[in-house]
Amino acid sequence: DAGVTQSPTHLIKTRGQQVTLRCSPISGHKSVSWYQQVLGQGPQFIFQYYEKEERGRGNFPDRFSARQFPNYSSELNVNALLLGDSALYLCASSLERERVTQYFGPGTRLTVL
Amino acid sequence: KQEVTQIPAALSVPEGENLVLNCSFTDSAIYNLQWFRQDPGKGLTSLLLIQSSQREQTSGRLNASLDKSSGRSTLYIAASQPGDSATYLCAVSLSNDYKLSFGAGTTVTVRA
Repeated sequence: DAGVTQSPTHLIKTRGQQVTLRCSPISGHKSVSWYQQVLGQGPQFIFQYYEKEERGRGNFPDRFSARQFPNYSSELNVNALLLGDSALYLCASSLERERVTQYFGPGTRLTVL
Repeated sequence: KQEVTQIPAALSVPEGENLVLNCSFTDSAIYNLQWFRQDPGKGLTSLLLIQSSQREQTSGRLNASLDKSSGRSTLYIAASQPGDSATYLCAVSLSNDYKLSFGAGTTVTVRA
C-alpha cells in the first residue's frame, strides 16, 4: 500500500504570497494532521482533521487554514507568508482520531524569500 | 503544557557500540509515546509505539522503555551501524488529547 503522500516536494515563495500544500493519507485513514518543523526543532502541531471536520488547532495564527475533502485528502493554506514560515511541513494520517500510530509523509519544504 | 526534552542533542559513536537515547516529558498523563527516525530533509518513520500501560517495546535491534511515573523513556539501539545515522525524535500524546508533542531530537552519527 502507498504511504502518506505530499505535494509539492519543494516550494519557494516570496513574502506576502499565499501557498497551498496537499496531502493524501494512507488508504482507509480518516484522520489527517499537519505539523510544522523548523530547522533544528521538533515538529509543532498545526491542525487535525477527522471525518472532514477540524478537531484540533495548535498555536498558529489565522493565516494558517486547512480543509479535508470527502476522500480524506487535505490541503493546508498559508496566507501572507512571512520569512518565519520557512519550514518543513509534515502531514500525518491515522486510522482514528487519537491513541493510534500516526504515519508521516515525506513533507513539503517551504522556503520564503 | 506538555514539554518533551531529549538529551543529548547529538551523539557520535563507533560502529558496533550500543546507543542509548533519552526522552523526558513533564506531564505523566500520557496515553502513548512514539519514537521516530528522521533522515536529513525527510519525513518521519515510526519506529516504536509504547502504550501507557506498557513498560517496553522491542523491534529487532531496537528496544524502548517507558517509565510514566518518572516521565522518562529510553531508546536502545544494539550494535549500531552506519545506516543508523539519523535524528531520533520522541513524541507523546496525552490521555485527553489528539496531537503529538515532540522533543527536538537526538542526532546520531555512527562512524564506520
